[in-house]
Amino acid sequence: GAGVSQSPSNKVTEKGKDVELRCDPISGHTALYWYRQSLGQGLEFLIYFQGNSAPDKSGLPSDRFSAERTGGSVSTLTIQRTQQEDSAVYLCASSSPDNRNGYTFGSGTRLTVV
Amino acid sequence: AQSVAQPEDQVNVAEGNPLTVKCTYSVSGNPYLFWYVQYPNRGLQFLLKYITGDNLVKGSYGFEAEFNKSQTSFHLKKPSALVSDSALYFCAVSVPAGGSYIPTFGRGTSLIVHP
Repeated sequence: GAGVSQSPSNKVTEKGKDVELRCDPISGHTALYWYRQSLGQGLEFLIYFQGNSAPDKSGLPSDRFSAERTGGSVSTLTIQRTQQEDSAVYLCASSSPDNRNGYTFGSGTRLTVV
Repeated sequence: AQSVAQPEDQVNVAEGNPLTVKCTYSVSGNPYLFWYVQYPNRGLQFLLKYITGDNLVKGSYGFEAEFNKSQTSFHLKKPSALVSDSALYFCAVSVPAGGSYIPTFGRGTSLIVHP
């Protein structure tokens, strides 16, 4: 597609449940990023994929968070045993390898843990 | 480690007046600098970037920014603000050469343009 697609756009889940968030990047963009935006906060880096290299997981806040990227394209962010503090907007972005043209963001998934 | 500071949580300006949204950064190496805008319930939209070359860069919607290496700043400007410019603005930096492609974002500045 023409842009970065994220699904679902909204997700309400009960505390303790697992959730999966999906990101479909721009075709040909080998770099993919996940960020978290909490209410009134900036963007918190979570994880970075670049081609077939090992992902940079340095931003994941706990071992309940994991992500994978299949075939160098679609990525899934999984949060296990969700907590209320996980409530946020999860943003995905993709870029060309050298990011000289910047990053293209999806519209995000708003996660609410009740 | 790289960092970005947006010292103002909110900027208020009257429509038709010039606007400035401030951004300073701290990096080791040559930075790539970006400005993004976020409208309510939307993702971030690219406005402009500095990679190399002219220090004054022009972007979407009449916005421009000036890269000032000595002051490590990259302030966003527009000569005449519109009410429709009201949104959340984010500055970001990355340092690909010998550093990281992962951009670090500022906390964001809420721009409010009054009619």
